[in-house]
Amino acid sequence: GNSVTQMEGPVTLSEEAFLTINCTYTATGYPSLFWYVQYPGEGLQLLLKATKADDKGSNKGFEATYRKETTSFHLEKGSVQVSDSAVYFCALGASGGSYIPTFGRGTSLIVHP
Amino acid sequence: NAGVTQTPKFRVLKTGQSMTLLCAQDMNHEYMYWYRQDPGMGLRLIHYSVGEGTTAKGEVPDGYNVSRLKKQNFLLGLESAAPSQTSVYFCASSPYKLSLGSAEAFFGQGTRLTVV
Repeated sequence: GNSVTQMEGPVTLSEEAFLTINCTYTATGYPSLFWYVQYPGEGLQLLLKATKADDKGSNKGFEATYRKETTSFHLEKGSVQVSDSAVYFCALGASGGSYIPTFGRGTSLIVHP
Repeated sequence: NAGVTQTPKFRVLKTGQSMTLLCAQDMNHEYMYWYRQDPGMGLRLIHYSVGEGTTAKGEVPDGYNVSRLKKQNFLLGLESAAPSQTSVYFCASSPYKLSLGSAEAFFGQGTRLTVV
């Protein structure tokens, strides 16, 4: 079945530092890949997505590239802000006859001033 | 734009009581999901629905029941609440797409439930 593995947190950074959150996956078929963000006290919301191999999703300074050869979708940002403090979830779209997307366990990011 | 709305936002129940959580979406989405979120456990799927009148079990269905009588609503019921059901519950919906895997999920704001 499908699965998503992302790095455990928390990830603690100073403002303006470079961010990488690793995500690898196993999947049946070729689903889209997503990053969701959850701010404190809120639900998840889509941050970015990529629908096929070599696609790059980007939004709000965050980027991730769909790497089929390494089955990865790492999230990066060149310069984080305090307001980026949140929990980030990597996810696979439904595939292989399933209607269920697959989420990683989430990585907490804490950015200090 | 309302999106996905969950009711209530907070609730405290006594062990053995029952309650229903309501999820309503105004985007005409086919698919709807109920998750629970616990510290260190990520999101775990309780039940889901692929259309009006259909429901299916997810990863952790025991102790919960669901119904989808109308396309826009997905109800989650706890018949006899237990302290182990203390959690934050999220509802999500997704649109039908020819390429199902490309559809993003839209989440509600969550219901924080405490069972004492």
